[in-house]
Amino acid sequence: EAGVAQSPRYKIIEKRQSVAFWCNPISGHATLYWYQQILGQGPKLLIQFQNNGVVDDSQLPKDRFSAERLKGVDSTLKIQPAKLEDSAVYLCASSLAVGALHFGNGTRLTVT
Amino acid sequence: AQTVTQSQPEMSVQEAETVTLSCTYDTSESDYYLFWYKQPPSRQMILVIRQEAYKQQNATENRFSVNFQKAAKSFSLKISDSQLGDAAMYFCAYRYTGTASKLTFGTGTRLQVTL
Repeated sequence: EAGVAQSPRYKIIEKRQSVAFWCNPISGHATLYWYQQILGQGPKLLIQFQNNGVVDDSQLPKDRFSAERLKGVDSTLKIQPAKLEDSAVYLCASSLAVGALHFGNGTRLTVT
Repeated sequence: AQTVTQSQPEMSVQEAETVTLSCTYDTSESDYYLFWYKQPPSRQMILVIRQEAYKQQNATENRFSVNFQKAAKSFSLKISDSQLGDAAMYFCAYRYTGTASKLTFGTGTRLQVTL
């Protein structure tokens, strides 16, 4: 089975610019997650979708971050405007209703 | 809220030896999953092993096994016959069995494997 696809792999932007990440989950996985992983830390959940509805976005900085999952399949995460502290790896994952999460390769974002 | 604690920031093991990584967690739930994920420099999170809380038997996957102590809320990972390819960050994670629950990670343990 094909895994979770993410793009781009790397992105370098200047502060105050905008950036978008894309994720295509494993086919049939209704639940999709975006995690932020700052260097040296464990991943932190930003937002969780169940189909195309938001289940948990309590840790999403909504003044600058947005995410959508149109049609309940692929998803985009946007940052606008970016800050230096947004430099991190952004991981997308998908899962069935229960069980393990399957992760993509992540996008490394550097904000200068 | 559920929390996961990994108290060993770094561990080192010689090739072919055995190492144990520690993890404790806090939850008020009785039914949940516990996982160990491996993250090599390529960044992808790779599932190593999983444990369902209702199962008393400890999970085993080839050279990887866990010691699950539900009452103590402890979930350690044992790697036997360590190989150079085992070098990575290892994250312990918790997930409640409720539908569409999230995965909560610990802070990770960096494992070095030496010759």
